[in-house]
Amino acid sequence: DIVLTQSPALAVSLGQRATISCKTNQNVDYYGNSYMHWYQQKPGQQPKLLIYLASNLASGIPARFSGRGSGTDFTLTIDPVEADDTATYYCQQSRNLRTFGGGTKLELK
Amino acid sequence: EVQLQQSGAELVRPGTSVKLSCKVSGDTITAYYMHFVKQRPGQGLEWIGRIDPEDDSTKYAEKFKNKATLTADTSSNTAYLKLSSLTSEDTATYFCTTERVTTAYYFDYWGQGVMVTVSS
Repeated sequence: DIVLTQSPALAVSLGQRATISCKTNQNVDYYGNSYMHWYQQKPGQQPKLLIYLASNLASGIPARFSGRGSGTDFTLTIDPVEADDTATYYCQQSRNLRTFGGGTKLELK
Repeated sequence: EVQLQQSGAELVRPGTSVKLSCKVSGDTITAYYMHFVKQRPGQGLEWIGRIDPEDDSTKYAEKFKNKATLTADTSSNTAYLKLSSLTSEDTATYFCTTERVTTAYYFDYWGQGVMVTVSS
Protein backbone atom coordinates (compact mmCIF):
# COMPACT_ATOMS: atom_id res chain seq x y z
CA ASP A 1 0.00 0.00 0.00
CA ILE A 2 1.06 3.58 -0.60
CA VAL A 3 1.13 5.41 2.72
CA LEU A 4 0.70 9.19 2.84
CA THR A 5 2.02 11.12 5.84
CA GLN A 6 0.85 14.59 6.84
CA SER A 7 1.49 16.70 9.92
CA PRO A 8 -1.65 16.71 12.10
CA ALA A 9 -2.00 20.46 12.52
CA LEU A 10 -0.74 23.85 11.44
CA ALA A 11 -1.43 27.31 12.86
CA VAL A 12 -0.93 30.43 10.79
CA SER A 13 -1.91 34.08 11.01
CA LEU A 14 -4.45 35.72 8.73
CA GLY A 15 -2.79 36.99 5.58
CA GLN A 16 0.25 34.78 5.98
CA ARG A 17 1.30 31.73 3.98
CA ALA A 18 0.35 28.19 4.97
CA THR A 19 2.38 25.29 3.63
CA ILE A 20 1.02 21.78 4.16
CA SER A 21 3.20 18.82 3.33
CA CYS A 22 2.44 15.27 2.25
CA LYS A 23 5.09 12.57 1.97
CA THR A 24 4.56 9.14 0.43
CA ASN A 25 6.43 5.88 0.98
CA GLN A 26 6.41 5.16 -2.76
CA ASN A 27 6.82 7.21 -5.88
CA VAL A 28 3.42 8.34 -7.24
CA ASP A 29 4.76 9.62 -10.56
CA TYR A 30 3.87 7.81 -13.74
CA TYR A 31 4.47 8.81 -17.35
CA GLY A 32 5.00 12.47 -16.56
CA ASN A 33 2.11 12.89 -14.11
CA SER A 34 2.19 12.99 -10.34
CA TYR A 35 -0.91 11.20 -9.10
CA MET A 36 -1.38 13.36 -6.03
CA HIS A 37 -4.45 15.44 -5.25
CA TRP A 38 -5.58 17.73 -2.44
CA TYR A 39 -8.96 18.19 -0.76
CA GLN A 40 -10.42 20.60 1.78
CA GLN A 41 -12.96 19.41 4.31
CA LYS A 42 -14.88 21.60 6.72
CA PRO A 43 -16.76 20.13 9.71
CA GLY A 44 -20.00 18.45 8.72
CA GLN A 45 -19.26 18.74 5.00
CA GLN A 46 -17.99 16.49 2.27
CA PRO A 47 -14.45 16.98 0.99
CA LYS A 48 -13.88 19.39 -1.89
CA LEU A 49 -11.23 18.99 -4.58
CA LEU A 50 -8.64 21.78 -4.57
CA ILE A 51 -5.68 20.56 -6.59
CA TYR A 52 -5.33 17.61 -8.95
CA LEU A 53 -2.23 15.98 -10.41
CA ALA A 54 -0.05 17.78 -7.88
CA SER A 55 -0.30 21.30 -9.30
CA ASN A 56 -3.53 21.83 -11.24
CA LEU A 57 -6.14 24.12 -9.71
CA ALA A 58 -9.62 22.60 -9.67
CA SER A 59 -12.52 24.52 -11.16
CA GLY A 60 -13.75 27.39 -9.01
CA ILE A 61 -10.85 27.25 -6.56
CA PRO A 62 -9.17 30.61 -5.86
CA ALA A 63 -5.62 31.15 -7.03
CA ARG A 64 -4.53 31.55 -3.38
CA PHE A 65 -4.28 27.77 -3.42
CA SER A 66 -1.39 26.10 -5.19
CA GLY A 67 0.30 22.75 -5.22
CA ARG A 68 3.70 21.46 -6.11
CA GLY A 69 5.91 18.46 -5.81
CA SER A 70 6.77 15.17 -7.45
CA GLY A 71 7.86 11.67 -6.60
CA THR A 72 7.31 11.31 -2.88
CA ASP A 73 7.16 14.91 -1.62
CA PHE A 74 4.27 17.27 -2.15
CA THR A 75 3.04 20.55 -0.73
CA LEU A 76 -0.17 22.53 -0.72
CA THR A 77 0.26 26.27 -0.22
CA ILE A 78 -2.39 28.80 0.72
CA ASP A 79 -1.22 32.39 0.30
CA PRO A 80 -2.60 34.52 1.74
CA VAL A 81 -4.64 32.61 4.31
CA GLU A 82 -8.17 33.82 4.87
CA ALA A 83 -10.49 33.05 7.80
CA ASP A 84 -12.62 30.79 5.60
CA ASP A 85 -9.61 28.53 5.00
CA THR A 86 -9.80 26.99 8.47
CA ALA A 87 -10.44 23.34 7.64
CA THR A 88 -8.73 19.99 7.39
CA TYR A 89 -6.70 19.33 4.27
CA TYR A 90 -6.09 15.86 2.86
CA CYS A 91 -3.72 14.61 0.21
CA GLN A 92 -4.75 11.56 -1.81
CA GLN A 93 -2.86 9.37 -4.26
CA SER A 94 -4.25 7.56 -7.29
CA ARG A 95 -1.04 5.88 -8.51
CA ASN A 96 -1.99 2.52 -6.97
CA LEU A 97 -5.49 1.96 -5.68
CA ARG A 98 -6.40 5.02 -3.61
CA THR A 99 -5.25 6.24 -0.20
CA PHE A 100 -5.55 9.45 1.79
CA GLY A 101 -3.14 11.14 4.11
CA GLY A 102 -4.18 11.53 7.73
CA GLY A 103 -5.16 15.16 7.22
CA THR A 104 -3.74 18.49 8.40
CA LYS A 105 -5.99 20.73 10.44
CA LEU A 106 -5.36 24.37 9.60
CA GLU A 107 -6.06 26.80 12.41
CA LEU A 108 -5.61 30.54 12.81
CA LYS A 109 -3.19 31.97 15.34
CA GLU B 1 -24.46 19.72 -12.82
CA VAL B 2 -23.67 16.30 -11.42
CA GLN B 3 -25.14 15.57 -8.01
CA LEU B 4 -24.83 12.54 -5.75
CA GLN B 5 -27.73 11.83 -3.41
CA GLN B 6 -27.06 9.35 -0.64
CA SER B 7 -29.61 7.44 1.42
CA GLY B 8 -30.53 8.42 4.95
CA ALA B 9 -28.87 7.81 8.30
CA GLU B 10 -28.91 4.26 9.67
CA LEU B 11 -29.01 2.85 13.19
CA VAL B 12 -28.16 -0.84 13.01
CA ARG B 13 -27.49 -3.71 15.40
CA PRO B 14 -24.08 -5.34 15.77
CA GLY B 15 -23.66 -8.43 13.63
CA THR B 16 -26.13 -7.32 11.00
CA SER B 17 -25.55 -5.72 7.62
CA VAL B 18 -26.57 -2.46 5.97
CA LYS B 19 -26.84 -1.36 2.35
CA LEU B 20 -26.26 2.29 1.46
CA SER B 21 -27.22 3.88 -1.84
CA CYS B 22 -25.75 6.71 -3.90
CA LYS B 23 -27.81 8.03 -6.82
CA VAL B 24 -26.14 10.02 -9.57
CA SER B 25 -28.06 12.76 -11.34
CA GLY B 26 -26.97 15.09 -14.12
CA ASP B 27 -24.94 12.48 -15.97
CA THR B 28 -24.81 8.77 -16.65
CA ILE B 29 -23.21 6.69 -13.92
CA THR B 30 -21.18 4.76 -16.50
CA ALA B 31 -19.08 7.88 -17.10
CA TYR B 32 -17.57 7.37 -13.64
CA TYR B 33 -15.90 4.95 -11.35
CA MET B 34 -17.93 5.10 -8.16
CA HIS B 35 -15.93 5.12 -4.95
CA PHE B 36 -16.88 4.96 -1.29
CA VAL B 37 -14.95 6.58 1.55
CA LYS B 38 -15.28 6.03 5.31
CA GLN B 39 -14.80 8.68 7.98
CA ARG B 40 -15.06 7.74 11.63
CA PRO B 41 -16.09 10.52 14.03
CA GLY B 42 -13.26 13.01 14.39
CA GLN B 43 -10.99 10.94 12.15
CA GLY B 44 -9.59 11.09 8.64
CA LEU B 45 -10.74 9.71 5.32
CA GLU B 46 -10.35 6.03 4.41
CA TRP B 47 -10.81 4.72 0.90
CA ILE B 48 -13.01 1.62 0.86
CA GLY B 49 -13.13 0.70 -2.81
CA ARG B 50 -14.59 1.44 -6.20
CA ILE B 51 -16.87 -0.08 -8.80
CA ASP B 52 -16.98 0.44 -12.54
CA PRO B 53 -20.73 0.42 -13.32
CA GLU B 54 -19.95 -0.36 -16.95
CA ASP B 55 -18.79 -3.90 -16.19
CA ASP B 56 -19.31 -4.23 -12.41
CA SER B 57 -15.59 -4.72 -11.84
CA THR B 58 -14.47 -3.79 -8.34
CA LYS B 59 -11.35 -2.95 -6.39
CA TYR B 60 -11.12 -2.77 -2.61
CA ALA B 61 -8.68 -1.63 0.01
CA GLU B 62 -7.27 -4.72 1.70
CA LYS B 63 -8.87 -4.01 5.06
CA PHE B 64 -12.36 -3.78 3.55
CA LYS B 65 -12.27 -6.90 1.39
CA ASN B 66 -14.33 -8.94 3.84
CA LYS B 67 -16.41 -6.03 5.06
CA ALA B 68 -17.68 -4.12 2.02
CA THR B 69 -19.44 -5.11 -1.19
CA LEU B 70 -19.95 -2.62 -4.01
CA THR B 71 -22.68 -2.97 -6.62
CA ALA B 72 -24.28 -0.69 -9.18
CA ASP B 73 -27.55 -0.45 -11.11
CA THR B 74 -27.16 1.43 -14.36
CA SER B 75 -30.92 1.53 -14.94
CA SER B 76 -31.36 3.70 -11.86
CA ASN B 77 -27.94 5.41 -12.02
CA THR B 78 -27.24 4.19 -8.49
CA ALA B 79 -24.27 2.67 -6.70
CA TYR B 80 -24.52 0.68 -3.49
CA LEU B 81 -22.26 -0.14 -0.57
CA LYS B 82 -23.14 -3.12 1.59
CA LEU B 83 -21.38 -3.47 4.94
CA SER B 84 -21.59 -6.82 6.68
CA SER B 85 -20.96 -8.22 10.18
CA LEU B 86 -21.21 -4.74 11.63
CA THR B 87 -19.33 -3.75 14.78
CA SER B 88 -18.83 -0.48 16.60
CA GLU B 89 -15.74 0.04 14.42
CA ASP B 90 -18.09 0.52 11.48
CA THR B 91 -19.80 3.51 13.10
CA ALA B 92 -18.87 6.27 10.68
CA THR B 93 -19.98 8.59 7.92
CA TYR B 94 -19.75 7.02 4.48
CA PHE B 95 -19.31 9.16 1.39
CA CYS B 96 -19.70 8.21 -2.24
CA THR B 97 -17.62 10.04 -4.79
CA THR B 98 -16.97 9.96 -8.52
CA GLU B 99 -13.84 9.56 -10.58
CA ARG B 100 -14.17 10.15 -14.31
CA VAL B 101 -13.42 7.06 -16.35
CA THR B 102 -11.69 9.17 -18.99
CA THR B 103 -9.14 10.51 -16.53
CA ALA B 104 -9.25 8.15 -13.52
CA TYR B 105 -7.26 10.62 -11.50
CA TYR B 106 -9.21 12.32 -8.71
CA PHE B 107 -12.54 12.56 -6.94
CA ASP B 108 -14.57 15.39 -8.39
CA TYR B 109 -18.14 15.00 -7.09
CA TRP B 110 -19.13 13.90 -3.59
CA GLY B 111 -22.32 12.83 -1.90
CA GLN B 112 -23.41 14.50 1.31
CA GLY B 113 -22.42 11.50 3.36
CA VAL B 114 -24.53 9.09 5.39
CA MET B 115 -24.04 8.38 9.08
CA VAL B 116 -24.14 4.74 10.11
CA THR B 117 -24.38 4.05 13.84
CA VAL B 118 -23.83 0.50 15.06
CA SER B 119 -25.35 0.03 18.47
CA SER B 120 -27.42 -2.49 20.38
